[in-house]
Amino acid sequence: QKEVEQNSGPLSVPEGAIASLNCTYSDRGSQSFFWYRQYSGKSPELIMFIYSNGDKEDGRFTAQLNKASQYVSLLIRDSQPSDSATYLCAVNHSNQGGKLIFGQGTELSVKP
Amino acid sequence: EAGVAQSPRYKIIEKRQSVAFWCNPISGHATLYWYQQILGQGPKLLIQFQNNGVVDDSQLPKDRFSAERLKGVDSTLKIQPAKLEDSAVYLCASSLTPIRDEQYFGPGTRLTVT
Repeated sequence: QKEVEQNSGPLSVPEGAIASLNCTYSDRGSQSFFWYRQYSGKSPELIMFIYSNGDKEDGRFTAQLNKASQYVSLLIRDSQPSDSATYLCAVNHSNQGGKLIFGQGTELSVKP
Repeated sequence: EAGVAQSPRYKIIEKRQSVAFWCNPISGHATLYWYQQILGQGPKLLIQFQNNGVVDDSQLPKDRFSAERLKGVDSTLKIQPAKLEDSAVYLCASSLTPIRDEQYFGPGTRLTVT
């Protein structure tokens, strides 16, 4: 079992729709959860982080964390073609010195 | 604030040759990371430094890869000898502290081994 799992996609949504990206993780000791966006040929950039159960909203983005289910998700409202990218879920184990474990990423395509 | 700097941006070498990558983190960031990202995969941590000490190098292929951060600032990652499977993007990242702080990534070095 992979430590951090994501559907590789591609996930295709029409412009203006809600994109839902999902991630599961295996280590219950995980404490910090990050969503990075990576455009083709570019390096990852952080878009959201979440530490506590529940929802966290930032503009069009909402991160959701359920530690009991070991599940974290990212919702993108009013999706735009510029949101087309690969979204990487990353999990930080506090007992491993801050090591980030990344999923393989989900490719999102927003069609005009 | 200047970002994480890396050089070179691209490198093409033949197998069994050696190569070195350089990274300068954001000023004041004590933690520095080297990741390997193979096409279609997420980044994989190779080594993590806290100042000039190694925190985690469990996934560094130590028979061919080495890294140093002698003065606790910039860092060098070396591969000697390179193999075809080392073709990847090598990303350097830095953060203020290792646990909750955001990791900022540099532009990466795309390595092609032929």
